Amino acid sequence: KQEVTQIPAALSVPEGENLVLNCSFTDSAIYNLQWFRQDPGKGLTSLLLIQSSQREQTSGRLNASLDKSSGRSTLYIAASQPGDSATYLCAVWDGQNFVFGPGTRLSVLP
Amino acid sequence: NAGVTQTPKFRVLKTGQSMTLLCAQDMNHEYMYWYRQDPGMGLRLIHYSVGEGTTAKGEVPDGYNVSRLKKQNFLLGLESAAPSQTSVYFCASSYGQGYQPQHFGDGTRLSIL
Repeated sequence: KQEVTQIPAALSVPEGENLVLNCSFTDSAIYNLQWFRQDPGKGLTSLLLIQSSQREQTSGRLNASLDKSSGRSTLYIAASQPGDSATYLCAVWDGQNFVFGPGTRLSVLP
Repeated sequence: NAGVTQTPKFRVLKTGQSMTLLCAQDMNHEYMYWYRQDPGMGLRLIHYSVGEGTTAKGEVPDGYNVSRLKKQNFLLGLESAAPSQTSVYFCASSYGQGYQPQHFGDGTRLSIL
């Protein structure tokens, strides 16, 4: 059974820092991996989707990488801002099911 | 553009009561999903639909039923609510299953006393 974990569970950084969030999955037989952002009391917003044939995707200050063979993905946030404070979740699609990680709660301090 | 709309936003039920959660999307998406989110756990798929009139079970379907009578609507029913069903419920939709980003509603916070 596919399991997705995220480290760290929570992270607090000063404004302006570059940071990396980690996502690991146990079964490398995935079709894609998505990174989502969730604000308190809100639903999830898709940030980046990486197909299994891709190595990375970029959107603005966000860069996500995927290493299927090692079962890892990272989300890199450049020049963090207080508005980046949220919970970040990753999810893998294995062709039948979406499996989500528990999330990393990010606080960017002004 | 409303996207995905869930009603109600909050609800408190007593054990044994029934209720229906409504999800509506205006993006003409074929695929719709119901998830539950519990503290410390990732989202878990309850049921999903690949098109009007079709439904399928997800990871945690027990105690729930669904219906997709219209393409834009996906209903989640609890026939006899139990305290273990206290959770935040999210509906999502997507153009394609798995290969396209999912669009989420803002959730329904449900407490079963």
